[in-house]
Amino acid sequence: AQSVAQPEDQVNVAEGNPLTVKCTYSVSGNPYLFWYVQYPNRGLQFLLKYITGDNLVKGSYGFEAEFNKSQTSFHLKKPSALVSDSALYFCAVRAIPNTGFQKLVFGTGTRLLVSP
Amino acid sequence: DVKVTQSSRYLVKRTGEKVFLECVQDMDHENMFWYRQDPGLGLRLIYFSYDVKMKEKGDIPEGYSVSREKKERFSLILESASTNQTSMYLCATRDRVKWELFFGEGSRLTVL
Repeated sequence: AQSVAQPEDQVNVAEGNPLTVKCTYSVSGNPYLFWYVQYPNRGLQFLLKYITGDNLVKGSYGFEAEFNKSQTSFHLKKPSALVSDSALYFCAVRAIPNTGFQKLVFGTGTRLLVSP
Repeated sequence: DVKVTQSSRYLVKRTGEKVFLECVQDMDHENMFWYRQDPGLGLRLIYFSYDVKMKEKGDIPEGYSVSREKKERFSLILESASTNQTSMYLCATRDRVKWELFFGEGSRLTVL
């Protein structure tokens, strides 16, 4: 089955420190990988995606993600965390079924808490 | 900017009631989706539509139906609400070329 795994329910980091939110994937073929962020009581917002090209992808709000094919990972990173980065982060992968329509499959989410 | 509008942010319904969740988008996207979000389970796809009057079941369609009579509007219907359908419901639309999803603000449904 095509899926993503977010192994950490929560990540705690102090403001100003670097942060990493982990994601691993399982998919047949070349992966399309995405990160979305959700602030409290809001919908999800697109952060960045990897489809092809450079393994380091830059996105919104200073976030970036590194695609690692050998480790089947797509970890989200930021060099210096802000308190306002505190939110729920979702990794997603394009699933290609044997028949039918392609869709995005989401991970279970990782809550990021940045302390002042 | 793409705007995806969900008509109700918060609803409280009773078991057995029929519930309509409406979603309207203003970007002429063909693809629209309904997800439900539950703690620890992430987002799960209920139904999607790739064109007017076209619909496909997602991963958890049981207890739900959908309607897409116009391109901009995609409705989720709970024919007879049950307590296990208490959840956050998210509508999304997708740019077919960019493969990015654009989400509404969500509808938090409580079934008593």
